Amino acid sequence: QSVLTQPPSVSGAPGQRVTISCTGSSSNIGAGYDVHWYQQLPGTAPKLLIYGNSNRPSGVPDRFSGSKSGTSASLAITGLQAEDEADYYCQSYDSSHVVFGGGTKLTVL
Amino acid sequence: QLQLQESGPGLVKPSETLSLTCTVSGGSISSSSYYWGWIRQPPGKGLEWIGSIYYSGSTYYNPSLKSRVTISVDTSKNQFSLKLSSVTAADTAVYYCARLSPDDYGDPGWFDPWGQGTLVTVSS
Repeated sequence: QSVLTQPPSVSGAPGQRVTISCTGSSSNIGAGYDVHWYQQLPGTAPKLLIYGNSNRPSGVPDRFSGSKSGTSASLAITGLQAEDEADYYCQSYDSSHVVFGGGTKLTVL
Repeated sequence: QLQLQESGPGLVKPSETLSLTCTVSGGSISSSSYYWGWIRQPPGKGLEWIGSIYYSGSTYYNPSLKSRVTISVDTSKNQFSLKLSSVTAADTAVYYCARLSPDDYGDPGWFDPWGQGTLVTVSS
């Protein structure tokens, strides 16, 4: 069991908007720690997508956005494209330890 | 730009010690404020944080692996290393190294960049 809970899979048609949730607890996200998101394309290393809850690194399209509220966070992807098909992971901090979500597989229909 | 590269044996026998090194190029591992970390991913599964080391040498380990993990840094070679003892088949995974930037409060924040990863198989 991962400390952060993500849905195993989500799907959407090209052009649509999808969201991926990341649910934590009062010892991690709810304690005020930031949430970060990664995209992992098949056979490659994870890539930073969102840091500090809602900040995009240089080069990440503004179709990707992050938010956080209470003990949860969300990643939203608008204008879905075939190249967005990947695994997505959230990450935060809990009791002096880094924690990851279990990952969500995004399928573009 | 900053690049990280993992290196080490791709095959380790059960009960032995897994040893990996991460070489940092394009920047100094001694840069203040950064952490350096190891993450692994078993085949077909999710990411698991193994541990991190602060530039000052302080270490932080995943409680589930703490008794078997040692992370160290060699500033003269711009490298940091992972040792995982008493390995079993469950330790078979792709092992990644990454730089860990602090958040606004100085706590470990996000991993970026990542190395390409190296597959380590535990088998006799």
